[in-house]
Amino acid sequence: NAGVTQTPKFRVLKTGQSMTLLCAQDMNHEYMYWYRQDPGMGLRLIHYSVGEGTTAKGEVPDGYNVSRLKKQNFLLGLESAAPSQTSVYFCASSGGGGLGNEQFFGPGTRLTVL
Amino acid sequence: SQKIEQNSEALNIQEGKTATLTCNYTNYSPAYLQWYRQDPGRGPVFLLLIRENEKEKRKERLKVTFDTTLKQSLFHITASQPADSATYLCARPADYKLSFGAGTTVTVRA
Repeated sequence: NAGVTQTPKFRVLKTGQSMTLLCAQDMNHEYMYWYRQDPGMGLRLIHYSVGEGTTAKGEVPDGYNVSRLKKQNFLLGLESAAPSQTSVYFCASSGGGGLGNEQFFGPGTRLTVL
Repeated sequence: SQKIEQNSEALNIQEGKTATLTCNYTNYSPAYLQWYRQDPGRGPVFLLLIRENEKEKRKERLKVTFDTTLKQSLFHITASQPADSATYLCARPADYKLSFGAGTTVTVRA
């Protein structure tokens, strides 16, 4: 099992450009999450999904969109990148949502917006 | 607001000593707390979950306690080793999600 994988690992964008981050999991998990991590801020939830075809806003959703067309994939989109979106992005999945199940994290995507 | 706070950003200890990390929560009573380890450049990895009716949980050299009176969880690394150097995160449940503390970075000196 590969667990949770993220593509790409690194990316540099110019302000105003768009991009999509791909997260894939092979554990048949219902729940998937996108976080951003900034120094001193910890992990902050951007969007999440409780099942195929569903998405919901997290703590810091502005400037991002997501889609969960297939159960195993969760896409995070930036339509018009801004320097404030420079961060490390982590995807995670869980089998049980808020029922105490652990979250499994991907290796992260380091995004720089110039 | 419902907050979860880890009370120190960094902890430096000598090899062989016990590291103790604190996670405090306010304005709610979580059914459980989770602890994760994060190494530089990597995603967090789950370590332990402790439920509100459990006073203590152990896993190898790790011990977690949950004090609902003090609204606090303590995370202990006993007989610490340089390989234990990492950032440790606590997390509380929030509906179908987790809310993470900012983390405490532990450095174990040989």
